[in-house]
Amino acid sequence: QKEVEQDPGPLSVPEGAIVSLNCTYSNSAFQYFMWYRQYSRKGPELLMYTYSSGNKEDGRFTAQVDKSSKYISLFIRDSQPSDSATYLCAITNNAGNMLTFGGGTRLMVKP
Amino acid sequence: DAEITQSPRHKITETGRQVTLACHQTWNHNNMFWYRQDLGHGLRLIHYSYGVQDTNKGEVSDGYSVSRSNTEDLPLTLESAASSQTSVYFCASSASGRPADTQYFGPGTRLTVL
Repeated sequence: QKEVEQDPGPLSVPEGAIVSLNCTYSNSAFQYFMWYRQYSRKGPELLMYTYSSGNKEDGRFTAQVDKSSKYISLFIRDSQPSDSATYLCAITNNAGNMLTFGGGTRLMVKP
Repeated sequence: DAEITQSPRHKITETGRQVTLACHQTWNHNNMFWYRQDLGHGLRLIHYSYGVQDTNKGEVSDGYSVSRSNTEDLPLTLESAASSQTSVYFCASSASGRPADTQYFGPGTRLTVL
């Protein structure tokens, strides 16, 4: 079993839809939760990170963490074609800066 | 503006050859990382460095080596390239070892081993 699981998709939605992207993880030592966005043939870039359980909002993006279920989510409101990318969750513990990545979910937002 | 660059962007080589991928960052970051990205596996850590002369093995280090002689560069060497090492390679850097420190990624090198 992988430490971090993510549905690869692709997930196809119409413009304006609310998108939900999810990851599950197995190691309860993980404390920091990140979402990276990766456009085609580019390197990943950090979208959001959160430390605790609960919600964190940044514009159209909301990151949600449920440590009791070992489940993290990224919600995108009013999705735009420019949101079309692969979204990677990444998780780390307190021991340093090493990230464990999920496999990524490919999102396509159609005009 | 500070940045992280990788070269070459594309490389085709033959089985058994030694290959070196370059990574250069101008952030003056202490931490540097090498990942490979394959379909179905996401990003997997190959090697990382927390400073000059420091190198550590990651999850998939067999067949790869790194050396860190200065802050800016962390070259990745494939000692004897194998077809299983066909992948997209990403270099990243971060300022410190704090868990929440952002890792900044380079544009990637697409390596094909024939």
